[in-house]
Amino acid sequence: DAKTTQPNSMESNEEEPVHLPCNHSTISGTDYIHWYRQLPSQGPEYVIHGLTSNVNNRMASLAIAEDRKSSTLILHRATLRDAAVYYCILRGFKTGANNLFFGTGTRLTVIP
Amino acid sequence: NAGVTQTPKFQVLKTGQSMTLQCAQDMNHEYMSWYRQDPGMGLRLIHYSVGAGITDQGEVPNGYNVSRSTTEDFPLRLLSAAPSQTSVYFCASSYSKGLRDYGYTFGSGTRLTVV
Repeated sequence: DAKTTQPNSMESNEEEPVHLPCNHSTISGTDYIHWYRQLPSQGPEYVIHGLTSNVNNRMASLAIAEDRKSSTLILHRATLRDAAVYYCILRGFKTGANNLFFGTGTRLTVIP
Repeated sequence: NAGVTQTPKFQVLKTGQSMTLQCAQDMNHEYMSWYRQDPGMGLRLIHYSVGAGITDQGEVPNGYNVSRSTTEDFPLRLLSAAPSQTSVYFCASSYSKGLRDYGYTFGSGTRLTVV
């Protein structure tokens, strides 16, 4: 499975936008880019995913580079509740299975 | 909808004991998976299932068994618990339709300590 590279940690001030980067230079044409976050003492939570085009939902935006070798998760206004570990994951499709393989993610600290 | 329900939330076992971690989902999801998360680490895939009656191994399957007799349930069995299996266990499920991708829903976890 193709790997992703994320910074170990980032900080943001409350109510400011946050851009979380992810590099995935070995991505294949059928790999979806998934983002999950894990709040302290909770299970991972789905944030957003995309294939080629930028995506928006109520939680965040996902900006995908034209060559798909990198992507950025955008939180438009960070709140204290957004402090979590954010995982960027490539989910490839194989016949009968399409598992998620987690790395160590980016720990986001939100400063009041 | 309850989503993905895991029981128990906490468990302490003695070395050599066996137990079953329960996972149930009410979203009619085909895919279900079990992960473990050790302190300060990301999640590692133990076993997964692409539908009732079909299971397969993930990254770290040793010491664990699974079965999938119904779409809703995907129990994880520890046959003979070892201290190395002390971890937080997460169950997850996902819908699948053709090649369209959907997100996973995770349970809240079972914190297992083996002494």
